[in-house]
Amino acid sequence: QVQLQESGPGLVKPSQTLSLTCTVSGGSISSGFYSWTWIRQHPGKGLEWIGYINYSGSTYYSPSLKSRATISVDMSKNQFSLKLTSVTAADTAVYYCARGGAPDYWGQGTLVTVSS
Amino acid sequence: DIVMTQSPDSLAVSLGERATINCKSSQSVLSSSNNKNNLAWYQQKPGQPPNLLIYWASTRESGVPDRFSGSGSGTDFTLTISSLQAEDVAVYYCQQYYSTPFTFGQGTRLDIK
Repeated sequence: QVQLQESGPGLVKPSQTLSLTCTVSGGSISSGFYSWTWIRQHPGKGLEWIGYINYSGSTYYSPSLKSRATISVDMSKNQFSLKLTSVTAADTAVYYCARGGAPDYWGQGTLVTVSS
Repeated sequence: DIVMTQSPDSLAVSLGERATINCKSSQSVLSSSNNKNNLAWYQQKPGQPPNLLIYWASTRESGVPDRFSGSGSGTDFTLTISSLQAEDVAVYYCQQYYSTPFTFGQGTRLDIK
């Protein structure tokens, strides 16, 4: 059974960089033709796709993030990560990591608050 | 970007009755390479991550009860719950994974009447 778990600071100051890691267990991140995705949900709102990294290492991001997002993979640790630079209060959200373009496995989500 | 629009925004259905949620994409999500619609449906309950119900517009994910079904093609899609159960109270989202950014509908809140 594949499981994903997000980790990282729950509080980030404005203008700083949000860094989250997703640890995958129950399967190798390098096996299969999967993409590894980040999605966020603003409080009380809908789902927003951030981007993904695919099995060949190619990355795709939402243009709405204006090049602030970077997704990377560390196969030795079976993890993938999200960095979001120059954060503002508008980046306060629950951040989910997930497997696939139509994700079948999701982490539980982690709330990141941007505040001074 | 492909815009996904769900209707209605909310609905209330009696237990045992049928619930229907619609999803319209601003352009076709039908892939010519495999003749499949790149459209998924999710259920999200409070405090939980979304749960994949349907992919390829009509393929039920393993473990999903057969009262959930998906239909449609091109730009118009429907999620149907044939006989509403109390545990189906949730917010439902459609998502296209045809072209990046993979966009979601705004969500439909389903309650018991």
